[in-house]
Amino acid sequence: DADVTQTPRNRITKTGKRIMLECSQTKGHDRMYWYRQDPGLGLRLIYYSFDVKDINKGEISDGYSVSRQAQAKFSLSLESAIPNQTALYFCATSATGRNQPQHFGDGTRLSIL
Amino acid sequence: AQTVTQSQPEMSVQEAETVTLSCTYDTSESDYYLFWYKQPPSRQMILVIRQEAYKQQNATENRFSVNFQKAAKSFSLKISDSQLGDAAMYFCAYRSAVFGNEKLTFGTGTRLTIIP
Repeated sequence: DADVTQTPRNRITKTGKRIMLECSQTKGHDRMYWYRQDPGLGLRLIYYSFDVKDINKGEISDGYSVSRQAQAKFSLSLESAIPNQTALYFCATSATGRNQPQHFGDGTRLSIL
Repeated sequence: AQTVTQSQPEMSVQEAETVTLSCTYDTSESDYYLFWYKQPPSRQMILVIRQEAYKQQNATENRFSVNFQKAAKSFSLKISDSQLGDAAMYFCAYRSAVFGNEKLTFGTGTRLTIIP
């Protein structure tokens, strides 16, 4: 089983719908992240959380919200989806401490029509 | 804010040959980490190699090695004996060593094609 699991793997939805992307991990990491990947732009950070009570905005948080339900779960919501939020979304986790790499889920491809 | 630049959108190499992917970054920090991630068509993000800025020795992982030039803020990836399975997007990433600021800043990626 994957250490970082994202659901759904793919999703097609309509403009204005509320969407939730879920991420769960079995690595026991405190830190969790949500990134968005667009062609030609690399990955950009949306939100991150260093523990259950800590939520921080990344560089492109507008139009998104998150919830850290437990150490192992971090969900990303689009309250009212719009077409320019069509992208590949990644969840990542990392342990606390120096030189700890981030471990990524397999991504959710989201298409908003 | 830190920035990461990958100036080669696409590269190609003959199978079994060596290829070098370029990455430069901008930061005012002295302690940080650098990473190369690989994204194959399956879209997973796979850690290839990492470098700690305070270590002068270049990191090596099997056929993958880096040339880390701290003064020049350059962090290139060398792939030796290229294999078909190396075909992927490669992303360079920067991470601060400041506690609480461990988020990654990515470059825009280099698509590597392996020619049989």
